[in-house]
Amino acid sequence: DTAVSQTPKYLVTQMGNDKSIKCEQNLGHDTMYWYKQDSKKFLKIMFSYNNKELIINETVPNRFSPKSPDKAHLNLHINSLELGDSAVYFCASSQMGRGYGYTFGSGTRLTVV
Amino acid sequence: AQSVTQLGSHVSVSEGALVLLRCNYSSSVPPYLFWYVQYPNQGLQLLLKYTTGATLVKGINGFEAEFKKSETSFHLTKPSAHMSDAAEYFCAVIPATVLGKLTFGQGTILTVHP
Repeated sequence: DTAVSQTPKYLVTQMGNDKSIKCEQNLGHDTMYWYKQDSKKFLKIMFSYNNKELIINETVPNRFSPKSPDKAHLNLHINSLELGDSAVYFCASSQMGRGYGYTFGSGTRLTVV
Repeated sequence: AQSVTQLGSHVSVSEGALVLLRCNYSSSVPPYLFWYVQYPNQGLQLLLKYTTGATLVKGINGFEAEFKKSETSFHLTKPSAHMSDAAEYFCAVIPATVLGKLTFGQGTILTVHP
């Protein structure tokens, strides 16, 4: 099936650990994104890559590091996890151009204990 | 900066009643506009979008929205609510001046009563 898939779906970890979330899209899109949805369900963009190049880097702690090995993959690595990092992280993809909607993955629920 | 405001964090309707979810944007140049739906513990699904052309756009599941430039609004409607419409709805924009940044409103939770 064509989709944006991200793994894992759930991630429970202790403070101070390092973790990664992986995302893959097979839609042929050239742009991928990471969004964070907080406990109040507010969605905020974190990063965006276009053809493997970082084009959006919002005010995010540098403990968060995205990596795009190719235009179909965008991973998110988080160092030294903190309680406040608990959230749902969504990967999305689109074709660059304002008229296109974004296709979202099903989300990764990260819980830091 | 581009912003999106959804009026009403919670909307409650009876099954069969009209659904109206409000969205206003702030921009001197009309952006591209989107409505997404999020069912509990799921991802976001695109309901409909306005880019150019006809200002009344139809989406999935019987929803439609009308772009009104004079009111800077893009309200979402459905003539008759179903129980399955219960979800959270997000209005979102991509501004005309900055590429590739989809900005969301705060979301509106729709509850449908039998």
